[in-house]
Amino acid sequence: QVQLVQSGAEMKRPGASVRISCKASGYPFISHAIHWVRQAPGQRLEWMGWINVGNGNTRYSQKLQDRVTITRDTSASMGYMDLRSLRSEDTAVYYCARVIGFGGLDYWGQGTLVTVSS
Amino acid sequence: QSALTQPPSVSGSPGQSVTISCTGTSSDVGGYDRVSWYQQPPDTAPKLIIYEVTNRPSGVPDRFSGSKSGNTASLTISGLQADDEADYYCSSYTSSIGWVFGEGTKLTVL
Repeated sequence: QVQLVQSGAEMKRPGASVRISCKASGYPFISHAIHWVRQAPGQRLEWMGWINVGNGNTRYSQKLQDRVTITRDTSASMGYMDLRSLRSEDTAVYYCARVIGFGGLDYWGQGTLVTVSS
Repeated sequence: QSALTQPPSVSGSPGQSVTISCTGTSSDVGGYDRVSWYQQPPDTAPKLIIYEVTNRPSGVPDRFSGSKSGNTASLTISGLQADDEADYYCSSYTSSIGWVFGEGTKLTVL
């Protein structure tokens, strides 16, 4: 069955960086793009960016484009999201999700809580 | 990029129907048939219930339906059940930045 399994919770200081991994299984990894979405406590979903797993092309939200990088390792069926220069407002649950069709995110990782605090 | 506009809350009794709206612009909802809807119970990952405006993924009951008119998309849930109580989010492709989510709507089943 299709699964996306993310790395564990992280606690970071302001100014630090974080990398979250997303291990895909149960389907041909290169056949579906991967999006990253975050949700601050009690807040709405926020789209961060996506990667075409086949060719590695990426697109990022304007808000985060200077601080976020999304990559993938097709040999390991892994996706990665790096966020730099962390601030307290980056405290959130971060999700990876697989795309079907034009933008429907049909399988989601379990979420990774990132807490940014001094 | 502002979030798509959704009502903060809607409610209905078991067996009734409710509709949640999602309003954007001609650069997102109105310009593309790339609207999706997600159901998110507390402390769980979102679940896709509608994609490409009207399509239901396998396993989603036909009580859930989607539509679009102009710059507004809508999710209708018929035959409300207690376990439909959750937050609902729309999302759309947008020509300017990629993708955008709605503000979210809390559905209460009375």
